[in-house]
Amino acid sequence: EIVLTQSPGTLSLSPGERVTLSCRASQSVSSSYLAWYQQKPGQAPRLLIYGASSRATGIPDRFSGSGSGTDFTLTISRLEPEDFAVYYCQQYGSSPFTFGPGTKVDIK
Amino acid sequence: EVQLVQSGAEVKKPGESLKISCKGSGYSFTNYWIGWVRQMPGKGLEWMGIIYLGDSDTRYSPSFQGQVTISADKSISTAYLQWSSLKASDSAMYYCARPYYPSRLNDAFDIWGQGTMVTVSS
Repeated sequence: EIVLTQSPGTLSLSPGERVTLSCRASQSVSSSYLAWYQQKPGQAPRLLIYGASSRATGIPDRFSGSGSGTDFTLTISRLEPEDFAVYYCQQYGSSPFTFGPGTKVDIK
Repeated sequence: EVQLVQSGAEVKKPGESLKISCKGSGYSFTNYWIGWVRQMPGKGLEWMGIIYLGDSDTRYSPSFQGQVTISADKSISTAYLQWSSLKASDSAMYYCARPYYPSRLNDAFDIWGQGTMVTVSS
């Protein structure tokens, strides 16, 4: 089973700041089958990025993903008030398709 | 509109059985995989397993194998998650979710249900 580690656990930031979230896998994620999701309180997760770097439909271009192998990054170029949430990575290259523990981005 | 609609919240006692549902609409249900994800209170997302509606091919996470059963009835475009004997530790929100591409197992979850809250308490 591939274990995903996300860092940091929590980030306290201000609107307008640039954010970089990390996701590290215990073994290589095949074909860059790595996704990022955003979850707000009381809501289902929302897909942001798939294939490590492709934005899902309707996702603003301030969200970008990069990486390959075992190291992946989600970047939010300029935080908007609606971006304060928890972010999860998920690998879907090898079953079970595990999630990382999440990074909470909250308002400073 | 493509959507997954899940059954309502449940309150059960330990040892009881339960089956929750996830109904798809707005797309060809049998051409897709449907996955189940657990979220315990205040915790992260856990991938439980996934079923292909075309032939009921099912994969489980080792953490959930033998603890739950994933099934489907393609005639009514519905996937199910069931327990034969609930425990207090099964109390959680359960989401169903569908990948973007048809017939593709290795794909991110693009469409999510609204979640079903399961509470198990004596």
